[in-house]
Amino acid sequence: DIQMTQSPASLSASLGETVTIQCRASEDIYSGLAWYQQKPGKSPQLLIYGASSLQDGVPSRFSGSGSGTQYSLKISSMQTEDEGVYFCQQGLKYPLTFGSGTKLEIK
Amino acid sequence: EVQLVESGGGLVQPGRSLKLSCLASGFTFSNYGMNWIRQAPGKGLEWVASISSSSSYIYYADTVKGRFTISRDNAKNTLYLQMTSLRSEDTALYYCARHSNLYVYYGLSYYFDYWGQGVMVTVS
Repeated sequence: DIQMTQSPASLSASLGETVTIQCRASEDIYSGLAWYQQKPGKSPQLLIYGASSLQDGVPSRFSGSGSGTQYSLKISSMQTEDEGVYFCQQGLKYPLTFGSGTKLEIK
Repeated sequence: EVQLVESGGGLVQPGRSLKLSCLASGFTFSNYGMNWIRQAPGKGLEWVASISSSSSYIYYADTVKGRFTISRDNAKNTLYLQMTSLRSEDTALYYCARHSNLYVYYGLSYYFDYWGQGVMVTVS
């Protein structure tokens, strides 16, 4: 199985700050990576797929990058509504696997 | 508007069975693969099972293989998860999710573009 390791587990950021979350796969996943945001009491929402493609309706301050085993999600200017938990997910091989999540809070 | 509405959850004793349903609307259900994904209270996301659009391909997580069965009825726009021999560790919020795919160098990559609101299953 492909293991997904996310870091950090939690972080706090000020409004307007740039935030970066990392995700490492245990083997090359050829950009088969997605990012999700989950707000308290809500279902996860797709932000990024194919490592860098922005899902329709997602603000452009979100961006994804990476290749091979290393990927990152960047929020270019932290907003209040960006608080939540972020998960990465590899979609290349079954079983499909998620990272353990990064809790993002406003400082 | 894409909608996925789960039902069938509840409190069940260990060893018993339960069947979840997910009613889809707002898209051509028979054109998409579907999934069940669960989240234990306060924990992360765990993919449970996938079924292709025509039910030709089915995959399970090792943690549920042999106990859970995913199925679909395209005429009713409904996805199912039959759960048997339930254990306390199956306690979770179960989400129904549609997947889309993208060609990457190695082949197809799957991601979940729409999720339901979830249905709670408590095994106790």
